[in-house]
Amino acid sequence: KAGVTQTPRYLIKTRGQQVTLSCSPISGHRSVSWYQQTPGQGLQFLFEYFSETQRNKGNFPGRFSGRQFSNSRSEMNVSTLELGDSALYLCASSRGGGGPNTEAFFGQGTRLTVV
Amino acid sequence: KQEVTQIPAALSVPEGENLVLNCSFTDSAIYNLQWFRQDPGKGLTSLLLIQSSQREQTSGRLNASLDKSSGRSTLYIAASQPGDSATYLCAVLNQAGTALIFGKGTTLSVSS
Repeated sequence: KAGVTQTPRYLIKTRGQQVTLSCSPISGHRSVSWYQQTPGQGLQFLFEYFSETQRNKGNFPGRFSGRQFSNSRSEMNVSTLELGDSALYLCASSRGGGGPNTEAFFGQGTRLTVV
Repeated sequence: KQEVTQIPAALSVPEGENLVLNCSFTDSAIYNLQWFRQDPGKGLTSLLLIQSSQREQTSGRLNASLDKSSGRSTLYIAASQPGDSATYLCAVLNQAGTALIFGKGTTLSVSS
């Protein structure tokens, strides 16, 4: 069974550009969530999608956005990149039905460097 | 607002030692708690999940406990090995089931 796949693995962008990251969840999983990991702040929740609907959003500026497609694949977009957006972006998938047995599985992440 | 704290931030032990990693959270209204392992520059590997109604879970040399009323969890690693060297993260799932709130992790180094 394939795990969570994130592409690309590495990205280098210039300040002011925009970037799109992709996440393919485990087959059968309908929930996809995104996290930003930096050395100073640790792992912070960005947003979560279930059946193409955003159910929750973390405390990030509107430059961070996402979407989910009918096949559960998800993309996140960051516009007008800033140096502080340099981070490891992690995607997680789960069945999404809710309940205490909800287990999250993570991809390998996309390392974004803004120069 | 839920806050998750992990102590210690770093730990160095010789091979073969048993050790305990601690995790505390401020709001007991959680669905579950997960322990993850992260190797440098890599994604997260799920180690154990404890549902809110459970007290502990075991997998091989790992045992995790949960005391929801006091907002605490521990991860016990028996007979540590150099391959256990990694950062260990705990995370609680909010009661909407939509977001994990993470601690900052404990970086473990096991020397041979």
